[in-house]
Formats: sequence, structure tokens, C-alpha cells
Amino acid sequence: EVQLVQSGAEVKKPGESLKISCKGSAYTFSSNWIAWVRQMPGKGLEWMGIIYPGDSDTRYSPSFQGQVTISADRSISAAYLQWSSLKASDTAKYYCATLTTVTSPFDYWGQGTLVTVSS
Amino acid sequence: NFMLTQPHSVSESPGKTVTISCTRSSGSVASNYVQWYQQRPGSSPTTVIYEDTQRPSGVPDRFSGSIDSSSNSASLTISGLKTEDEADYYCQSYGSSAWVFGGGTKLTVL
Repeated sequence: EVQLVQSGAEVKKPGESLKISCKGSAYTFSSNWIAWVRQMPGKGLEWMGIIYPGDSDTRYSPSFQGQVTISADRSISAAYLQWSSLKASDTAKYYCATLTTVTSPFDYWGQGTLVTVSS
Repeated sequence: NFMLTQPHSVSESPGKTVTISCTRSSGSVASNYVQWYQQRPGSSPTTVIYEDTQRPSGVPDRFSGSIDSSSNSASLTISGLKTEDEADYYCQSYGSSAWVFGGGTKLTVL
């Protein structure tokens, strides 16, 4: 069974850095895109960016370009989302999800990682 | 890039049929597939319709999808509503290296 397991909830202060992870299993990690999706409290889904672990092709939503960094480590089937300097407005739940091709649906989703940024 | 606009909320009684629209702001809705996701409170989204009209295995045939080029929109129709269908529904499509979600529609089954 395909699974995406995300790292646990985080509580951080403004200005701190953070890297959250998404580990895939039971599928060919390198051959599927992994996307990151933000959901702010009580709000909708927002696509942040996507990476193809096979060649590290990475694309960002203009809304998130320069605000976050997406990476992947094929050797351990993991994808990452990181911030260098968190803001209170980064408080949200972050999901990773797989796609087979760019036009396919977000097939499998992780359980989400809640990030709380508060002084 | 384009936007996908959904009604904020819809409500209907059990056993009835409801349709949720998703209007594409620019470019043709037929140019890229539309997907629909269901998100129950506290859970991750799951796909209920993909490639405009296809239903994943395990999704009841009460769920159906369509597109209408004349209104440049996609629709999700749920017939024989059940209380378990109460959830947020999101449409999603792709274009110009961007993956776009609609704002979501809260379905209340009362």
C-alpha cells in the first residue's frame, strides 16, 4: 500500500528555520512527482511547489517562490519543505502528495504536518 | 495564470442531488483535466473524480463529474446524498507549470 508519512507537528518562533519531511513507501519514489500543499487554519488548499525526485526538477507557485525550498533525497525516498526564516503567517498544515504525471490527480496524500509559528 | 472559482457553500437534504460548480477564469476548461477532492474535517483530501469524469475505485457511483465548455466550468454532482457526504470539496486543474485549486465548497447535508 502506497504511504506518505510526514514528520510531526512543530512549534517555532518567528525568524527560526524549519525543515519538514515526507517519506514515501511502496512505490517507485523517483518516478512520481511530490507536491507540497498548504492549508491555513479554516482555509482552502494552496499548491506551493512540486519536485520530481528522479531529476530534481522543481517548480514553485509564484506565491511561494523564494519563501520556501523544496528538495528530495532519492536514497531514502524522502521529500522536504524548508523555511529559512519563519513568519507567523506560515502557521498552517502542510501536506505532501504524489502525482504520477503533471496532469494526473494528487493520488496519495500524507497525513499533514501542523506548523505553528508564535512568539 | 488561471483561477478556479467555486461557490463557498451549498446545502441539501439527504437523498437529494447537489451540483458544485468550478469555473475557470481564463483558458479553456477542456484544455487540462479537472480533479475533485473531498476533505472531511481533520482528514487529508481524497480524490472523488479525476480526469473530468473518472471515478477512482471505491468511490460510489453517486459521484459524477462533467465539464461544460460553454460556461468554461466543471461540475461535481452527488446524487442520493448521505450525511457522510458532508465535507469540503475542491476542484483542481493544471496549466502552464502551475497546479491550481479552487477555493473549496462546504457541503452541508441537513
